[in-house]
Amino acid sequence: DQQVKQNSPSLSVQEGRISILNCDYTNSMFDYFLWYKKYPAEGPTFLISISSIKDKNEDGRFTVFLNKSAKHLSLHIVPSQPGDSAVYFCAPINTGGFKTIFGAGTRLFVKA
Amino acid sequence: DAGVTQSPTHLIKTRGQQVTLRCSPISGHKSVSWYQQVLGQGPQFIFQYYEKEERGRGNFPDRFSARQFPNYSSELNVNALLLGDSALYLCASSFVQMNTEAFFGQGTRLTVV
Repeated sequence: DQQVKQNSPSLSVQEGRISILNCDYTNSMFDYFLWYKKYPAEGPTFLISISSIKDKNEDGRFTVFLNKSAKHLSLHIVPSQPGDSAVYFCAPINTGGFKTIFGAGTRLFVKA
Repeated sequence: DAGVTQSPTHLIKTRGQQVTLRCSPISGHKSVSWYQQVLGQGPQFIFQYYEKEERGRGNFPDRFSARQFPNYSSELNVNALLLGDSALYLCASSFVQMNTEAFFGQGTRLTVV
């Protein structure tokens, strides 16, 4: 039962260009959406979030877009930097149930 | 300020043995959650504890148990280890019960042989 899908296992982008990471979900009870970044040998680090009452949230180079009708969200990184190379997890929450569901992750490679 | 700390960082156990993993949350955080991450997958929710009470449980067998202590640190216990329990076990803490901004430890890498 995959409630959260990140269909691209990996993505390669040139430094300075835009990185777009996608996430699809099936559970309409999710009302808060988080993105985490994970480097090897480290735990995931919170990156950015969006509430279901919004369709866009921006924090510096990172912007998350939410399309509730399509049950789709995306993370945009502009401009991409080599230090952004990591695994990115989409993690929706049903805040009434306190359970965070993680996608399988997308490994981003930013080439210098 | 110390972040979330987990111990040990690595360990190797034999099938059938029992293991205890430990987690110290960020000071002031009252919620601790445990996740299992196997290779190629995202972290899977195991338990959440808030104010020393279990608040959520994922789809894991009864061999998995946890508890939270008065100082909000937590232990995850796994009995009768199987090869399939080999994974990275992550602990996350947050100030409130809602994990809307949880902070993760570096994880414990468990290998069952």
